[in-house]
Amino acid sequence: QVQLVQSGPEVKKPGASVKVSCKASGYTFTDYTIHWVRQAPGQRLEWMGWINAGIGSTKLSQRFQGRVSISRDTSATTTYMELSNLRSDDTAVYYCARVAATNWNVLWFTDWGQGTLITVSS
Amino acid sequence: DIVMTQSPDSLAVSLGERATINCKSSQSVLNSSNNKNYLAWYLQKPGQPPKLLIYWASTRESGVPDRFSGSGSGTDFTLTISSLQAEDVAVYYCLQYYTTPLTFGGGTKVEIK
Repeated sequence: QVQLVQSGPEVKKPGASVKVSCKASGYTFTDYTIHWVRQAPGQRLEWMGWINAGIGSTKLSQRFQGRVSISRDTSATTTYMELSNLRSDDTAVYYCARVAATNWNVLWFTDWGQGTLITVSS
Repeated sequence: DIVMTQSPDSLAVSLGERATINCKSSQSVLNSSNNKNYLAWYLQKPGQPPKLLIYWASTRESGVPDRFSGSGSGTDFTLTISSLQAEDVAVYYCLQYYTTPLTFGGGTKVEIK
């Protein structure tokens, strides 16, 4: 079965960077696009961007003004989301999620990682 | 960006009764080339990631009980739980995947009355 397993929680200081991983299994990694979504306490889910795991192309939300990058390692079947210049309002649970079908970069999400809590605090 | 507005913010429904959640998009999410509405519904329980219920506005995901149904087109959508069960207590979100940035509704918390 499809599994997306994310890295563990982290505490970071303002201005630092964080890199969250999402290891995929149970399907052909390069056939599907992975998205990243975050959820701050009491806030709605917020889309951050996607990566086509096959060709490595990405599309990132402009809301993060260049602070976010998404990459992948096909040999490790792992996707990474890095957020730089962290602020206190970046404190959130970060999720990776796989789209429903091959050959689509943007579609609904069928499978999600368990979430990674990133806490930004001085 | 497409803004997704859900209503109500919360509702309390008796077991076995109907629950109705609304989602309105600031612009149409209907693709006229394939006549599909690019809208999905999820539920989320505390400490868990969202779980898919409905996609293409009205197609139930495999394994989802048939008490969950989705309807609507264009900018106005509804999720209906026909007979609320205890395990349906959760926060429900709509998602538009018509265009990036993908955007979610603010959530509707469903509780037992």
